Amino acid sequence: AQKVTQAQTEISVVEKEDVTLDCVYETRDTTYYLFWYKQPPSGELVFLIRRNSFDEQNEISGRYSWNFQKSTSSFNFTITASQVVDSAVYFCALRGDNYGQNFVFGPGTRLSVLP
Amino acid sequence: NAGVTQTPKFQVLKTGQSMTLQCAQDMNHEYMSWYRQDPGMGLRLIHYSVGAGITDQGEVPNGYNVSRSTTEDFPLRLLSAAPSQTSVYFCASSGRQARDTQYFGPGTRLTVL
Repeated sequence: AQKVTQAQTEISVVEKEDVTLDCVYETRDTTYYLFWYKQPPSGELVFLIRRNSFDEQNEISGRYSWNFQKSTSSFNFTITASQVVDSAVYFCALRGDNYGQNFVFGPGTRLSVLP
Repeated sequence: NAGVTQTPKFQVLKTGQSMTLQCAQDMNHEYMSWYRQDPGMGLRLIHYSVGAGITDQGEVPNGYNVSRSTTEDFPLRLLSAAPSQTSVYFCASSGRQARDTQYFGPGTRLTVL
């Protein structure tokens, strides 16, 4: 069975602080993909990043960075110098390698960035 | 390129009424799915489809029906609405490969009185 855990239910930081959102996953698949989505207060779900199980290089996109560690089954998301606009619920998701495999979502982490 | 579209955006029903939530995508995606999101909660999979003519149940299928007659459309039917079905419903689509990203529609906010 596949599972995604986001142990942090809610996080509050003050603007300009760095914050890391944790994601731990379970799968028996050799090949799989990990995703992060953002859901701002307006409600839409926005795709942020995709990472495959064979690529353990960290990725940076502006203030966002992602750390994938296969040894600990984690795919953590760091926001540097957080801004109020980063306030949202963030979901981590996993998709296994079986053709047509469903996405498995974590419960989400609500991030509040205070001015 | 509209992506994933959903109608209506908002709907209020009375208990026992039926209705259909519409979902369409123009990306030629084979995989489509419906999720519900209750207040302060995560996403729960209702039904999904891996191609036209093929549907299957997700985590919370009771009270909902789906069909997939075309690649583009994946409507969700509420057979007899109940207050427990008050939720935000998201439709999503992706390719069938594991590497394919899933894209979401804007959601339908449903209230059942």
